[in-house]
Amino acid sequence: DGGITQSPKYLFRKEGQNVTLSCEQNLNHDAMYWYRQDPGQGLRLIYYSQIVNDFQKGDIAEGYSVSREKKESFPLTVTSAQKNPTAFYLCASSPYEAGNYGYTFGSGTRLTVV
Amino acid sequence: DAKTTQPPSMDCAEGRAANLPCNHSTISGNEYVYWYRQIHSQGPQYIIHGLKNNETNEMASLIITEDRKSSTLILPHATLRDTAVYYCIVRTLNTGTASKLTFGTGTRLQVTL
Repeated sequence: DGGITQSPKYLFRKEGQNVTLSCEQNLNHDAMYWYRQDPGQGLRLIYYSQIVNDFQKGDIAEGYSVSREKKESFPLTVTSAQKNPTAFYLCASSPYEAGNYGYTFGSGTRLTVV
Repeated sequence: DAKTTQPPSMDCAEGRAANLPCNHSTISGNEYVYWYRQIHSQGPQYIIHGLKNNETNEMASLIITEDRKSSTLILPHATLRDTAVYYCIVRTLNTGTASKLTFGTGTRLQVTL
């Protein structure tokens, strides 16, 4: 079945450590996105990528970095510069013409920094 | 993108229709209305979208007013599994570019026995 896989589902890290969240899709979608969700809040866009080797900052990019070396993969690194990294992270993808179905989301990674 | 306003929470009895309203009074002519839902601790799921005509699929119906300033998502026979946060989003379709979606805080629908 086609879809988006995020791993791991739960992640614990010590303060000051960088951590990389994985996102892989086999939907042949061009665009990929990373969102952050805090308890009781909506989703906020961190980074997005329209094509391989290209990405743009979203609304809350500070303290995060991404890469897009392959169409299928869009990993997110949460760096030590991110002041409040504990959150639920969601990856999504869409075709260029996203009209019919918009986004397909992964099941998320819950990051806890202790 | 136009801003949307949704009630923070609603209740619905199982088996009854759930009608979730959304105001988007500043919507422009080329903006679509999308609905997603998010079940606790999962990624949001696409439900339905429309421009100006009413739409129906296997999950729900979308009723858009003639002036397009508001819409209603209808779940015809709500079940306990429909308990989720429902997001109404207004977005222009940009062919050839990534379509960024902006999620507000949505409506938390609680379906009860």
